[in-house]
Amino acid sequence: DTAVSQTPKYLVTQMGNDKSIKCEQNLGHDTMYWYKQDSKKFLKIMFSYNNKELIINETVPNRFSPKSPDKAHLNLHINSLELGDSAVYFCASSQALRGYSYEQYFGPGTRLTVT
Amino acid sequence: ELKVEQNPLFLSMQEEKNYTIYCNYSTTSDRLYWYRQDPGKSLESLFVLLSNGAVKQEGRLMASLDTKARLSTLHITAAVHDLSATYFCAVDMEYGNKLVFGAGTILRVKS
Repeated sequence: DTAVSQTPKYLVTQMGNDKSIKCEQNLGHDTMYWYKQDSKKFLKIMFSYNNKELIINETVPNRFSPKSPDKAHLNLHINSLELGDSAVYFCASSQALRGYSYEQYFGPGTRLTVT
Repeated sequence: ELKVEQNPLFLSMQEEKNYTIYCNYSTTSDRLYWYRQDPGKSLESLFVLLSNGAVKQEGRLMASLDTKARLSTLHITAAVHDLSATYFCAVDMEYGNKLVFGAGTILRVKS
């Protein structure tokens, strides 16, 4: 009965590879997000989707491409992985309306290590 | 660009004493959130503050928001060991659903 789930939990890969992280929420929320937490624990939003529509795209390299097949899922595909992509990636969801906001529920995180 | 500053960044607490974490932000917002993160774990929502003067309390933690001063505080009463964690404040940008996080405050309670 996990509210926000992510797979995989750990991902170790080499530079130059392409990888995907999947996120699913069963809360019935209409907004989903991707965050990156770096080695100093700093959290920064990458993307947010509302009802499958991209509404926030922070200055993230084009190698990162989110995809939302439906409002319960938001996947993150990363091309040509670089060392600097090593981080923990969190998915989150909220029941939000444009111009207002509700608390966000976070998934367990995916620890990506690029070697 | 919105800046969110937390202080202190590290707080070593003695059991049963009281402490306060401050969260200052640089632009207008009336929505602020506090989260807790245990090592290697996800973020757990603690408080949602949605208006000026909002005050929420849960156990030994109390959070407040002063939107005029652009300041939120997280007050810890009579610290106990299981409060050891990293605490983040996050400010919601006025125009949409985007949280900007502070750097986090690492709390350690000494026995």
